[in-house]
Amino acid sequence: SQQGEEDPQALSIQEGENATMNCSYKTSINNLQWYRQNSGRGLVHLILIRSNEREKHSGRLRVTLDTSKKSSSLLITASRAADTASYFCATALTDNDMRFGAGTRLTVKP
Amino acid sequence: SQTIHQWPATLVQPVGSPLSLECTVEGTSNPNLYWYRQAAGRGLQLLFYSVGIGQISSEVPQNLSASRPQDRQFILSSKKLLLSDSGFYLCAWDGQRNSPLHFGNGTRLTVT
Repeated sequence: SQQGEEDPQALSIQEGENATMNCSYKTSINNLQWYRQNSGRGLVHLILIRSNEREKHSGRLRVTLDTSKKSSSLLITASRAADTASYFCATALTDNDMRFGAGTRLTVKP
Repeated sequence: SQTIHQWPATLVQPVGSPLSLECTVEGTSNPNLYWYRQAAGRGLQLLFYSVGIGQISSEVPQNLSASRPQDRQFILSSKKLLLSDSGFYLCAWDGQRNSPLHFGNGTRLTVT
């Protein structure tokens, strides 16, 4: 069963705009991770935020975590056409059970 | 540096035929290894994970099995494929609990 659910399912924006994707989860977590997947490829880890952190930055990526609401958001600033991909949040139910949501398909139009 | 290799990239197999997908990791020892399946436009479903040689945990009852004959080798198998086994299969590893997963490039399996 899925643990995280991303919202929206699909997002289409113009190059240069910001993209915000949200993730909700159901159980207590140690950390929450965001991954990116280009079409037909494996997932690539983007950023990990621990349960005692509220915000984390990596380049043009900003991730927030609200454990009281069991939600997280991923913000991509100044988007580029190369950011077109699917983005997934993932949380660990147990040490070896990372659960992924269905993802947000982001399309950045040049 | 660590790398993960997964092959083949694509595979078309008839119903009832056997399956063997292989995954190997280089540059690390005693990794945790995982097999996920992804249906079209969907998230990932954890199929199997292994914390050591010969140790396999299965998440869902299914037509598939996994084996770990060597520390850095993980194999996904089936004796007789079903149409419902079609999908995108991803192998992944991590070095310790709650650490990021590193994925292979996947195998697109089509059962006809």
